[in-house]
This record gives sequence, structure tokens and C-alpha cells, in this order.
Amino acid sequence: AQKVTQAQTEISVVEKEDVTLDCVYETRDTTYYLFWYKQPPSGELVFLIRRNSFDEQNEISGRYSWNFQKSTSSFNFTITASQVVDSAVYFCALSDFSNDYKLSFGAGTTVTVRA
Amino acid sequence: GAVVSQHPSRVICKSGTSVKIECRSLDFQATTMFWYRQFPKKSLMLMATSNEGSKATYEQGVEKDKFLINHASLTLSTLTVTSAHPEDSSFYICSAEGRGNNEQFFGPGTRLTVL
Repeated sequence: AQKVTQAQTEISVVEKEDVTLDCVYETRDTTYYLFWYKQPPSGELVFLIRRNSFDEQNEISGRYSWNFQKSTSSFNFTITASQVVDSAVYFCALSDFSNDYKLSFGAGTTVTVRA
Repeated sequence: GAVVSQHPSRVICKSGTSVKIECRSLDFQATTMFWYRQFPKKSLMLMATSNEGSKATYEQGVEKDKFLINHASLTLSTLTVTSAHPEDSSFYICSAEGRGNNEQFFGPGTRLTVL
């Protein structure tokens, strides 16, 4: 069963536009962790954020922000004022007790930022 | 800190040969290491989990005789693709987790091409 759904396959924006990536997860556990990773064309996964299920505070880090809503099981990611260097595949992932805290990745969203 | 390396970064081999990929945690002891496979434009698929000094646990559908995993020390795990065939061509990514951490640090990946 798909535990992490990233409904957007590809998003294309012009530089300086904001872009929001959706992530919906599914778990019956009360303790779990959510992640976002960036995978640029080089292939290396870049860790962006980890959030535990007990911390629903939204977070901002520079141009990145995350909106965690337990009520809708969503953990959305927004890039503000996008830049060409933001072009990459972005993965949302879930780690929960029922899966021995192994990572379940979403299908990924390819973001293309055009100059 | 928390650096994970993989070697080689890229390998091309002939069909029928075996290929070994190394994954090292450079500045921490990795009690658990994970091996993922990623097809082009697809998500990461967990192949197996290995704990130092014990046999790896393979995910359903992964051939353990085809993908040999050894986790001989707290800083090194190896994945050997035996008798490789063109369909084994893929991007292989390892990750390492420290003791009681529940956080995985990813290596840069190895691109395998089997001719």
C-alpha cells in the first residue's frame, strides 16, 4: 500500500515564482517521522528536513518552508522565490514504527525552474 | 559530520560479471545500513537492511543470491551484484544509521551499467 503520496509528478515554474509540493502520508502509528529530500541531477540525496509526529509547528529555513497538518495527514513543502538551482526531484518520506522505522518514499516531484 | 561515501561512483561491466559496491560511514559508527535501488525517473526502492555482524534482511521480491550484502564492520557494508545482467543496470544508493538514531545518512550513489 502506498504510504506516501506525492500527487504532482512534475512542476515547472519561472524563476522567482513560489512553488508548493504536496505530500500526503498514511500511517496508523502515533509516533512517526516525516522527511523531505532533494535529489539534484547529480543523484545525491540531500536531506532537507525531518519532523516528528508530535511537533506540528511549521518550519521555515531560508526560502524553504514546511506545513505539517496532522488533521489532513499532509506535510507540504514550499520554495519561495524559486531559483534555477532549485531544479531537482523532491522526495517526501515517512518512517514509522509499524515498518520498523524504515523509510517509505513517495514517487517524487520533479521541479524545473526556468530562468 | 555524518558523511557516507560510496565506491565506485560509476561502474560499467560486461554481462555475467560480478560487481562490488562499498558503502562507508566516515565519521560515525553505523549499526544499520540500507541499500536502495532507483530506476530512472522513479523513487527509491529499499532492497535490504543490514546490521553489523548479522545477515541482511531483504525486502520482498529482492533476490538475496543475486544481491549479496555484507556488513562486516560498523563502518562498512558491501553490495555485490552477482552475474550482472543488463536489467540490473540502475542507480544504487546506500544509507547508514547510527545507534538509536532513526536517522539515515545517504551516500552519493553508484550508477551501474551492465552491457
